[in-house]
Amino acid sequence: AQSVTQLGSHVSVSEGALVLLRCNYSSSVPPYLFWYVQYPNQGLQLLLKYTSAATLVKGINGFEAEFKKSETSFHLTKPSAHMSDAAEYFCAVSDPGTSYDKVIFGPGTSLSVIP
Amino acid sequence: EADIYQTPRYLVIGTGKKITLECSQTMGHDKMYWYQQDPGMELHLIHYSYGVNSTEKGDLSSESTVSRIRTEHFPLTLESARPSHTSQYLCASRKPGLAGTGEQFFGPGTRLTVL
Repeated sequence: AQSVTQLGSHVSVSEGALVLLRCNYSSSVPPYLFWYVQYPNQGLQLLLKYTSAATLVKGINGFEAEFKKSETSFHLTKPSAHMSDAAEYFCAVSDPGTSYDKVIFGPGTSLSVIP
Repeated sequence: EADIYQTPRYLVIGTGKKITLECSQTMGHDKMYWYQQDPGMELHLIHYSYGVNSTEKGDLSSESTVSRIRTEHFPLTLESARPSHTSQYLCASRKPGLAGTGEQFFGPGTRLTVL
């Protein structure tokens, strides 16, 4: 079955520092991958997605992610953290086992930004 | 900005009451989803729909039921609420596209507390 792992349930960075949130997927077929952000008491919002085009994907708010097939990874990065980036981040993959109808989410990573 | 709405945002109710959580979207999306999420935790799919008159149970067993009589409306009902139903419920719709590539749009969620 398809699965998504996110290494580190909680990540803390200093304001202005590099943000790196890790995501690995299990898939024997080309995956379609997503990163979502959730602010407190809100729903999820799409940051970016990979759909078999360019391996480096740029998203909103200065985030980007690189798809690496050899590592089955789709890590999220931002060069310089801002206080407003503090939130919960979820990596997700469309499940080929359900004709891609279902979306499987990772457990999430909580990002804290220290002033 | 996503046009998907959930009401109520917060609900506190006593054990045994029947409740309906409303979800509506104005984007004309066929696929809709209900997720259950405990604070700071991962999302669990409890129901989804391919379109009108189509509903399926998700991966997490739930005592709730759903209906899809109109494309834009996907309500979730609990016939008899219990404290174990206390959680946040997120509704989402999915943008159509090549299989698996469409992103989801999430409502703000309903935080349910059953006393």
